[in-house]
Amino acid sequence: GAGVSQSPSNKVTEKGKDVELRCDPISGHTALYWYRQSLGQGLEFLIYFQGNSAPDKSGLPSDRFSAERTGGSVSTLTIQRTQQEDSAVYLCASSLVRENNSPLHFGNGTRLTVT
Amino acid sequence: AQTVTQSQPEMSVQEAETVTLSCTYDTSESDYYLFWYKQPPSRQMILVIRQEAYKQQNATENRFSVNFQKAAKSFSLKISDSQLGDAAMYFCAYRRYNNDMRFGAGTRLTVKP
Repeated sequence: GAGVSQSPSNKVTEKGKDVELRCDPISGHTALYWYRQSLGQGLEFLIYFQGNSAPDKSGLPSDRFSAERTGGSVSTLTIQRTQQEDSAVYLCASSLVRENNSPLHFGNGTRLTVT
Repeated sequence: AQTVTQSQPEMSVQEAETVTLSCTYDTSESDYYLFWYKQPPSRQMILVIRQEAYKQQNATENRFSVNFQKAAKSFSLKISDSQLGDAAMYFCAYRRYNNDMRFGAGTRLTVKP
């Protein structure tokens, strides 16, 4: 079946502009995650959606970052007033939350470049 | 907060040899799950192996095996008969029951022909 789909794959934007990154999880996966990966670095947790529960936003680095998940499926990560330090690859993943040993299935990420 | 530490930013192994990647984690939980992911240059994250904390037996997947030491909070990955295709970034990850997954900073593995 289809995997996790992220769009766009690459995004170049000017400092100060807003950007929206989209994630389509695997159908039936109730858990959705956003991570940020700076060049050559590990994965920084941003936000976690689990079913209809309130999302865990503890990883969002500032109030310029927000995310929503509509209808328990597609998620959008929004970065307002982008800064150069926001440049990174943004990875989305989904999993079956009912099974805690279920691995995360990752998309190919969106590479964001802020000029 | 749970933290995952990978103390080896880079490792190198000769083709066909064995290499072990280290991972330690900090938690007060007794029920959790551990994973190793591989990220080749393509950027795609690929699950290598997983371990449930309640299982004493170490997980094995073909050439990949783990040494899980729960009391020491250690979860190392052993790659046997290394192949050129094993070259990648390797991330150790921790997942608490019904929670998100946290990753270490990664170890870059180079395989020399």
